[in-house]
Amino acid sequence: GQQVMQIPQYQHVQEGEDFTTYCNSSTTLSNIQWYKQRPGGHPVFLIQLVKSGEVKKQKRLTFQFGEAKKNSSLHITATQTTDVGTYFCFGFYGGSQGNLIFGKGTKLSVKP
Amino acid sequence: ETGVTQSPTHLIKTRGQQVTLRCSSQSGHNTVSWYQQALGQGPQFIFQYYREEENGRGNFPPRFSGLQFPNYSSELNVNALELDDSALYLCASSLARAGLSYNEQFFGPGTRLTVL
Repeated sequence: GQQVMQIPQYQHVQEGEDFTTYCNSSTTLSNIQWYKQRPGGHPVFLIQLVKSGEVKKQKRLTFQFGEAKKNSSLHITATQTTDVGTYFCFGFYGGSQGNLIFGKGTKLSVKP
Repeated sequence: ETGVTQSPTHLIKTRGQQVTLRCSSQSGHNTVSWYQQALGQGPQFIFQYYREEENGRGNFPPRFSGLQFPNYSSELNVNALELDDSALYLCASSLARAGLSYNEQFFGPGTRLTVL
C-alpha cells in the first residue's frame, strides 16, 4: 500500500536557524497538504500543493512539490519560538476513495 | 479557531463497551472526515462522509462506523472497544462539490478516548 515517510522525526533548532522537513511517498500523489499541530492542539491547515514542481511561499515558510509528485518539503527561514509544533504532510493519491494518508510528522522545538 | 466542535472532550470507557463521538462541522461545509491520532503519531484516516453517505474509508475494521446528518454534523461509533482504541479522535470538515474531498480541512479540538 501507499506509504508516506516524513523526516526528520524530531528537529531541535536555535531561534533564528532554518528548518526543513521532507515528505516522501512511495507512489505518485495527486496533491499534498501541510498541517501544523501545536502541543495539545489540533492540526491547522497551512497549504495545498497540486502541480508538479509547484513552489508556494507564506512569509517565512516555503513549500515545494517535487517534479514527480512523490516528494514535498516545508522550509522555515529564521525560526521563531512561535514555530514550535509538529508539522505533518498529508497526501492524497486520487483514484479510489480512501487514498489519504498523513505522514508521522516532524516535531520542531525552538530554543530561544 | 475553526467552527468545528466535538463532544465530549474526554471519555473513559472499558474494554468491550461502545462509544459515540460527535462532531459539528463548520457552517457551509458538507464533508466530514474522522481521524484517529495515537500519541506521537500522525492522524490516521478512518472514513469520510459527504452528503450523508460514506465516501471513503481507511484501514479500520467494521466496528468503526459513522453517520452524517442532514445538517452535516456527524457521529463516530466504535463497538467492542479495545485497549488500542485509546487515542485522540479528530473530525475535520471541508467543502466539496462532488466525490472525495481533498480540499482544506478544518479540524475540531478532538475527543480524547481512554479505554481501560
